[in-house]
Amino acid sequence: AQKITQTQPGMFVQEKEAVTLDCTYDTSDPSYGLFWYKQPSSGEMIFLIYQGSYDQQNATEGRYSLNFQKARKSANLVISASQLGDSAMYFCAMRDVDSSYKLIFGSGTRLLVRP
Amino acid sequence: DAGITQSPRHKVTETGTPVTLRCHQTENHRYMYWYRQDPGHGLRLIHYSYGVKDTDKGEVSDGYSVSRSKTEDFLLTLESATSSQTSVYFCAISNGQGSLTNEKLFFGSGTQLSVL
Repeated sequence: AQKITQTQPGMFVQEKEAVTLDCTYDTSDPSYGLFWYKQPSSGEMIFLIYQGSYDQQNATEGRYSLNFQKARKSANLVISASQLGDSAMYFCAMRDVDSSYKLIFGSGTRLLVRP
Repeated sequence: DAGITQSPRHKVTETGTPVTLRCHQTENHRYMYWYRQDPGHGLRLIHYSYGVKDTDKGEVSDGYSVSRSKTEDFLLTLESATSSQTSVYFCAISNGQGSLTNEKLFFGSGTQLSVL
């Protein structure tokens, strides 16, 4: 079974609006970490945000927040007030015991912000 | 930005030829990784290293070998390149000072490899 599932290959959002990028994961380990990375057209991978499985509150980093729903095994990325520079590929990733704590990535979602 | 340099940035080669990609870091981080990125698959781990001369396989290691003779350098070798190895290759590093679950990776700029 796929460990990390991103079901939205591509999405559009209007500039200044909020957008949610979906990520579901599969693990039986109670201790795990969830990450989001951004890959702009230039190709580099940029770390955005981290959520630990034991964290009581949803992670936030500036305009990025993580909607962590543990029972549903989802870790959706919310980008508020979208900007043109947010157009990029976004990858969800996870570390757990099953992956020997190596970072395993989903297939990504391409976000396009419309002016 | 993390000091990670990948070389070459682009390479075109022919099927059956050996290819070596280099990753150099200036951060003195313990862990180094090689990933490949293909459409529809995200990034998949090829090999990783947890110290000098200490390496292990990832999820897509067939056809690849690695070496780490110095902390700062991690080499990925395709002994006999095939067209299925056409991909973008990313090197990543981490310092090994986080917990097992929260350690984030810093990535290089990638190498575009085309095997004709």
